[in-house]
Amino acid sequence: AQSVTQPDARVTVSEGASLQLRCKYSYSGTPYLFWYVQYPRQGLQLLLKYYSGDPVVQGVNGFEAEFIKSNSSFHLRKASVHWSDSAVYFCAVSAWGNEKITFGAGTKLTIKP
Amino acid sequence: AQTIHQWPVAEIKAVGSPLSLGCTIKGKSSPNLYWYWQATGGTLQQLFYSITVGQVESVVQLNLSASRPKDDQFILSTEKLLLSHSGFYLCAWSLRRGEQYFGPGTRLTVL
Repeated sequence: AQSVTQPDARVTVSEGASLQLRCKYSYSGTPYLFWYVQYPRQGLQLLLKYYSGDPVVQGVNGFEAEFIKSNSSFHLRKASVHWSDSAVYFCAVSAWGNEKITFGAGTKLTIKP
Repeated sequence: AQTIHQWPVAEIKAVGSPLSLGCTIKGKSSPNLYWYWQATGGTLQQLFYSITVGQVESVVQLNLSASRPKDDQFILSTEKLLLSHSGFYLCAWSLRRGEQYFGPGTRLTVL
């Protein structure tokens, strides 16, 4: 079975500061990993994805994530956050040959002016 | 460009009443389709998925059912709503496993 842990339910960062949102997954095979963002009262939008290859993947709006297999982690990073980045961020995992996708509990990001 | 539409935008229903939520995808042929439920402030729970017309797989039992009557349409329904059905329902599509694209959602309140 696969699972995802986002240990930080809430993160507050000052505008212009750097950001890291943590994600750890559990899956015995090779995972497909994703980060999604959800703005208030909206559906989810895909930020970035990892299937294979370069462990550092670039996404939209300056976000990137690094797949570290030895640590079963896929943390999301951004060098300088903007007030519009305030949202809930979900990490998710799925697997080849399996239509099931498992989401983490989400991290609510608040940007301080 | 592909678009995904969900209806209704919001519903307020009584316990025990029936429910039907819809999802339509335009601009993609034979997508995989998914239904999710999200409690207020919570994570997403995958409910159903479908890889072809007429074929639906259940991921979790929540006294709900789903059908795919057409290639571009996915319906979520129940004959009897429970209080626990309240939440945000999201439809999604994909052409490749995991990389899913979500609709705007339907907010359901059961009283």
